[in-house]
Amino acid sequence: KAGVTQTPRYLIKTRGQQVTLSCSPISGHRSVSWYQQTPGQGLQFLFEYFSETQRNKGNFPGRFSGRQFSNSRSEMNVSTLELGDSALYLCASSWDSNTGELFFGEGSRLTVL
Amino acid sequence: QKEVEQNSGPLSVPEGAIASLNCTYSDRGSQSFFWYRQYSGKSPELIMSIYSNGDKEDGRFTAQLNKASQYVSLLIRDSQPSDSATYLCAVSTASKLTFGTGTRLQVTL
Repeated sequence: KAGVTQTPRYLIKTRGQQVTLSCSPISGHRSVSWYQQTPGQGLQFLFEYFSETQRNKGNFPGRFSGRQFSNSRSEMNVSTLELGDSALYLCASSWDSNTGELFFGEGSRLTVL
Repeated sequence: QKEVEQNSGPLSVPEGAIASLNCTYSDRGSQSFFWYRQYSGKSPELIMSIYSNGDKEDGRFTAQLNKASQYVSLLIRDSQPSDSATYLCAVSTASKLTFGTGTRLQVTL
């Protein structure tokens, strides 16, 4: 079956712009989690959605937001981009993130200039 | 103190040897523990999960958990060059999964 699909795979933005990333989970999975990965900080949890509701949120500023649609597809948005937002953004889906068994997409690599 | 700590490495082991990867966590309420493998340029993939004290074996991989010491480890027997990757320890606490920064493993010929 198809895996987790993230789009776009690569993007370049300038400071102050905003960006929207998309994630299509594995069919049947209702939980979508978002992570930011950087060389220095590793995988940092952004938020998790389950059945269109944000169930958990990490320690990121309000510029980072997300949502989930009725078909479980999820989007995350970063507004007023800063240089430090340059990172790989990973989406992970699961039946229920409480199990800890996450299936990751290939990620969206964001570069902020 | 970080919630999940790992030595960043690199940990270098010769082919055929046992690789031992370690992880400590700070929250005694943590209930579930996972090891993910991430090849360079790829996304993480789950290789082991462990929920109770003791050892859990799956092929060449053995996960060990000691909740009293707040310690999780992953042993890879008969290490192969294809095992060269970054290994991420993940700990689940109150429905939140926290990752360590990973240990880079290099298996040399």
